[in-house]
Amino acid sequence: SQKIEQNSEALNIQEGKTATLTCNYTNYSPAYLQWYRQDPGRGPVFLLLIRENEKEKRKERLKVTFDTTLKQSLFHITASQPADSATYLCAPRGTGANNLFFGTGTRLTVIP
Amino acid sequence: KAGVTQTPRYLIKTRGQQVTLSCSPISGHRSVSWYQQTPGQGLQFLFEYFSETQRNKGNFPGRFSGRQFSNSRSEMNVSTLELGDSALYLCASSFGLAGGRETQYFGPGTRLLVL
Repeated sequence: SQKIEQNSEALNIQEGKTATLTCNYTNYSPAYLQWYRQDPGRGPVFLLLIRENEKEKRKERLKVTFDTTLKQSLFHITASQPADSATYLCAPRGTGANNLFFGTGTRLTVIP
Repeated sequence: KAGVTQTPRYLIKTRGQQVTLSCSPISGHRSVSWYQQTPGQGLQFLFEYFSETQRNKGNFPGRFSGRQFSNSRSEMNVSTLELGDSALYLCASSFGLAGGRETQYFGPGTRLLVL
C-alpha cells in the first residue's frame, strides 16, 4: 500500500541556518508533489507545488526538489527564522484517493 | 473571498453518542475532503465529495460517513463515538477538476473531544 514518510517527527535548527526536510514515498508514482505548512490549531496552508518533470522549484527562501527515481522530495528553508517554526507536510499527488493523502509531517523549530 | 468555514469549532461528546460536523467550502469549489488529525497518526484522509457524490474514500470504518449538498456544503457524521475518535477534524475544499495540480484550502477544523 502507499506510504508517505517524512524524515523526522521534529527538527530543531539555529536561526539563520538552512532547514532541510525530507519526504519519501513508496508504491506510488505521483505526477505532482505539494508542500503545506501547518501552525498549531490551524489547518494546513499550501506553500509550493512541483511537477514530476521539474527537478527544482523556488519561492523566496523556499526550495523544493523532486527526484522520481529516488521517490523523494527535499524541502529547504534558507536563512531560517523563528517565524518559520511550524509543521510541514508533504503531499504526493497522483490519481484517485492517493491524490489526497499527506505525509506524516515534520515539526520544525527555529531557535533564535 | 471567504475561506473555508467549519462549525462547530469545539465539541465535547461522550462515548456512544453521534456527532455531525459541517463544512462550507470556498465559493465555486465543488470538492470537499475530510481529514482526521491526531498527534500519533498525523493527517488521515477520510473521504472526498464532489458534486454531491463520494468520489474517494480512505480507510476508516463505516461509523464515519458524510454527504454533500447541492451548494457544495458538506457534513460529516460519526456514529457510536469512541474515545479514539477524539481529534481535530479538518475539511479542505478545491475546484476538484485538476487532480494533483490543485491546491487544497483548509478550514480551521473542529476539535472533538470524546469522554
